[in-house]
Amino acid sequence: EAGVTQFPSHSVIEKGQTVTLRCDPISGHDNLYWYRRVMGKEIKFLLHFVKESKQDESGMPNNRFLAERTGGTYSTLKVQPAELEDSGVYFCASSQAGTASFNYGYTFGSGTRLTVV
Amino acid sequence: AQTVTQSQPEMSVQEAETVTLSCTYDTSESDYYLFWYKQPPSRQMILVIRQEAYKQQNATENRFSVNFQKAAKSFSLKISDSQLGDAAMYFCAYRAFGNEKLTFGTGTRLTIIP
Repeated sequence: EAGVTQFPSHSVIEKGQTVTLRCDPISGHDNLYWYRRVMGKEIKFLLHFVKESKQDESGMPNNRFLAERTGGTYSTLKVQPAELEDSGVYFCASSQAGTASFNYGYTFGSGTRLTVV
Repeated sequence: AQTVTQSQPEMSVQEAETVTLSCTYDTSESDYYLFWYKQPPSRQMILVIRQEAYKQQNATENRFSVNFQKAAKSFSLKISDSQLGDAAMYFCAYRAFGNEKLTFGTGTRLTIIP
């Protein structure tokens, strides 16, 4: 089966610009998560979708970040306008629902490395 | 709030030797899950091993095993017979029962010395 796909793999943008990251989860996975790792720090949770609904968005840093999941399939994470502190690696993961997500684990994408200059 | 601490930013080990990566966590929950993830230079994170807190038996996956000490809130990863392909960032993670969110540590970069 295809894994979790993220693109772009790298993005370099100027402060104030807009960037949109995309994540395609594994087909059939209802749960989709966004995480972010700022250089040298822990990977932090941003938000969790169940199908097309936002289950938990407590980790979203501020209103410059907007996440959507169209029809419960792929998801986008838009940063507008980007600031220097938004630089980091953005990971997407997907999992099946409920306890299955423990049994089968989360599947992560390779991440998008965002650099804001 | 739950926290996960990995106190070793970097570790190195000779090929074929054994290395132990440390992880401690803080939680008030009694039922939860613990994970070790590996992120090779290709950057895709891979699940290495998982442990359910209610199970006293330590999880084992081939050369990877954990030492789970619930009272001490410690969850270390032992890699036996280290191989060059084990070189990666290793992240310890926690997840409360009934909650889908993972809480990660800051990671340990493991270098394998040929």
